[in-house]
Amino acid sequence: GQQVMQIPQYQHVQEGEDFTTYCNSSTTLSNIQWYKQRPGGHPVFLIQLVKSGEVKKQKRLTFQFGEAKKNSSLHITATQTTDVGTYFCAGLADSSYKLIFGSGTRLLVRP
Amino acid sequence: DGGITQSPKYLFRKEGQNVTLSCEQNLNHDAMYWYRQDPGQGLRLIYYSQIVNDFQKGDIAEGYSVSREKKESFPLTVTSAQKNPTAFYLCASSGTSGGGTQYFGPGTRLLVL
Repeated sequence: GQQVMQIPQYQHVQEGEDFTTYCNSSTTLSNIQWYKQRPGGHPVFLIQLVKSGEVKKQKRLTFQFGEAKKNSSLHITATQTTDVGTYFCAGLADSSYKLIFGSGTRLLVRP
Repeated sequence: DGGITQSPKYLFRKEGQNVTLSCEQNLNHDAMYWYRQDPGQGLRLIYYSQIVNDFQKGDIAEGYSVSREKKESFPLTVTSAQKNPTAFYLCASSGTSGGGTQYFGPGTRLLVL
């Protein structure tokens, strides 16, 4: 079945450093979504990417969708303590009704 | 929270007991989902419903049951057959049944005594 792998599992950075998490699917995706879950909270939708090679930015966050539509990345520039949480990617395979979530990357930021 | 409520926030279950987790949404969404999250882990799909009176098993449906009698409500029952029910349970809804943006409720933490 379809699998979505996400790395790294954990990332501990000094405030001001950059952070990147990567997502890889075993099958071609029709779209990929990113969610953020704060400690003790629930996942909150960040963005959706649909087109091959698409790049979207939200302030310090940059999201990319690979040319083959099988991988994606989230890059945070100059992390802040408010960025702490777990970032999940979720992919929808072609002809599927279910989003498949990656295992998440937990970001810790040292002030 | 996107107009999705879950109750209770914390729930304690005794061995051999069935418990029901509530999920209500006022977003007029057709699709609803139940996920299980274990500490430090991702989300695993238990059941989903694309429309009223219809639902499908997800990846880990054994020991769980659901109903979808109303568009707004998608309760999850954790039965005694679920041998390891301690987890964080998240309900979500989306406006489209096929991979649309999902809006999550605040979750219910279930603990077995």
